[in-house]
Amino acid sequence: IAGITQAPTSQILAAGRRMTLRCTQDMRHNAMYWYRQDLGLGLRLIHYSNTAGTTGKGEVPDGYSVSRANTDDFPLTLASAVPSQTSVYFCASSDSQGGSNEQFFGPGTRLTVL
Amino acid sequence: GQNIDQPTEMTATEGAIVQINCTYQTSGFNGLFWYQQHAGEAPTFLSYNVLDGLEEKGRFSSFLSRSKGYSYLLLKELQMKDSASYLCAVADSNYQLIWGAGTKLIIKP
Repeated sequence: IAGITQAPTSQILAAGRRMTLRCTQDMRHNAMYWYRQDLGLGLRLIHYSNTAGTTGKGEVPDGYSVSRANTDDFPLTLASAVPSQTSVYFCASSDSQGGSNEQFFGPGTRLTVL
Repeated sequence: GQNIDQPTEMTATEGAIVQINCTYQTSGFNGLFWYQQHAGEAPTFLSYNVLDGLEEKGRFSSFLSRSKGYSYLLLKELQMKDSASYLCAVADSNYQLIWGAGTKLIIKP
């Protein structure tokens, strides 16, 4: 593994189903983030984690949950998917939150909820 | 509220220079980032400004004026591979990034 990986690459999901998007980084970064990207809108932060064992809510957290059991993994769960959650989801990480710490992005997961 | 504005789309010619503007209104300011995103790919970091002035990095330069809530990304000697979206993002008082919708740059031969 080099950098950040996400799985699956894409998924079509029936409304009401539960889904977990996986994210793993091997850079030993403390901070990790989940964004969604929709056409015509900027990236919107769903949840973040400043360090293993802690999580926080971003701009659009409703309908999503996260966990950070260790440094490398930061899964995002949709408990009961709805069509408005159709989007491209990006996981990102940075050495720490703040300052000039650039965020490194995974390749994204394209999710369609029908 | 927090707001980042940048043009939706711009067109430029190969070999030319283009300037992409970004204006912002945020609760606090802890730096401004520019990212490049090719279609279907992840954003990648281009530049970071926290003090007023120009930061130059090869063909790309980024300028910041905190008093005006304004930044621009300057791309010189445009190449076809520069066709992409350019995202402006501001770190707010909580160091969370607020993102603009991006500017799609189309390069014509």
